Amino acid sequence: KAGVTQTPRYLIKTRGQQVTLSCSPISGHRSVSWYQQTPGQGLQFLFEYFSETQRNKGNFPGRFSGRQFSNSRSEMNVSTLELGDSALYLCASSTGLAGTTGELFFGEGSRLTVL
Amino acid sequence: KQEVTQIPAALSVPEGENLVLNCSFTDSAIYNLQWFRQDPGKGLTSLLLIQSSQREQTSGRLNASLDKSSGRSTLYIAASQPGDSATYLCAVLGNFGNEKLTFGTGTRLTIIP
Repeated sequence: KAGVTQTPRYLIKTRGQQVTLSCSPISGHRSVSWYQQTPGQGLQFLFEYFSETQRNKGNFPGRFSGRQFSNSRSEMNVSTLELGDSALYLCASSTGLAGTTGELFFGEGSRLTVL
Repeated sequence: KQEVTQIPAALSVPEGENLVLNCSFTDSAIYNLQWFRQDPGKGLTSLLLIQSSQREQTSGRLNASLDKSSGRSTLYIAASQPGDSATYLCAVLGNFGNEKLTFGTGTRLTIIP
């Protein structure tokens, strides 16, 4: 059974640009959640999608957005990149909402560097 | 606002020793608590999940306990091995209506051969 797949694994952008990250969940999982990990702030919840609907959102500015497709694949977009957006972006999938029905399974992450 | 703290931030122990990692949280209205490990530059791997109605869970050499009333969880690792070296994170899931996962700050564990 394939795990959670995130693409791209690494990317470098410059300030002001935008970026789109992709996450393919484990087959059969309907929930995809996104997290930002930085050395200073640790792991912080961005948002969660379940059956194509955003169910929960963390405390991030509107520059961070996402969506989920009918096949449960999800994308997150960050517009007008800032230096502070440099981070490891992780997505996780689960069968139910936010892992209420079981474990969360994480991808390897997309490491974004903003210059 | 839920806050999750893990102490110590780093821990080094000789191979073969038993050890305990600590996790504390401020809001006891949780749905479940999970322990994860993260290897450098990698994603997270789930180790144990404890539902709010449970007191402990065991998997192999790992045992996690939960005391919801005091806002504490511990992860016990028996007979530590060098392969256990990683960062360990606990995360709490809020109750219905607040299903957000809040992560702890992590404990970086090094097992000395």
